[in-house]
Amino acid sequence: AQSVTQLGSHVSVSEGALVLLRCNYSSSVPPYLFWYVQYPNQGLQLLLKYTSAATLVKGINGFEAEFKKSETSFHLTKPSAHMSDAAEYFCAVSESGGSNYKLTFGKGTLLTVNP
Amino acid sequence: ETGVTQTPRHLVMGMTNKKSLKCEQHLGHNAMYWYKQSAKKPLELMFVYSLEERVENNSVPSRFSPECPNSSHLFLHLHTLQPEDSALYLCASSQDLAKNIQYFGAGTRLSVL
Repeated sequence: AQSVTQLGSHVSVSEGALVLLRCNYSSSVPPYLFWYVQYPNQGLQLLLKYTSAATLVKGINGFEAEFKKSETSFHLTKPSAHMSDAAEYFCAVSESGGSNYKLTFGKGTLLTVNP
Repeated sequence: ETGVTQTPRHLVMGMTNKKSLKCEQHLGHNAMYWYKQSAKKPLELMFVYSLEERVENNSVPSRFSPECPNSSHLFLHLHTLQPEDSALYLCASSQDLAKNIQYFGAGTRLSVL
């Protein structure tokens, strides 16, 4: 079974600073990888998805993530944080083959943006 | 505006009550999911339906009973719950099981007293 580790349950940045949220997965086969965002009192919204077409994936709201097979990592970045980016971010990985609808989520990283 | 609507948004129930959570998707999808989100824990997949057939029951206690009458609606029937069942219950849908981008509702915040 897949597992996902998000380093840092809480990350705090200043407005305009670089955002880096870390995600490592365990898998012998490159899976599908996702980043979701959850704003307060809302469900999860897809930020971006890795599908092996390109290692650098661009998502919504200026976020991007880079797949590094050698490091089994899929870190999420944004060059300049905005107050509206404050939310909880979840990394997820799918099972391979016919069970790729099964997503394994990390515990989440709460991003705080300070003025 | 999300294409997945969950009602109620908040629910408080006693351990002897019976209640139901409702999920409706307006996206024309064929697969629907129930997740449990507890504090400090990863999302837990509970049930998966594809074309109204249950394809996944992730070792969920029988006090949770899902129902999928059609591809647009999903229910989670609750009875004799425990306080540890208090959580945010999220519904999601995807085009089908092969298309694994899932679209989530806002959830039902459940408190069991």
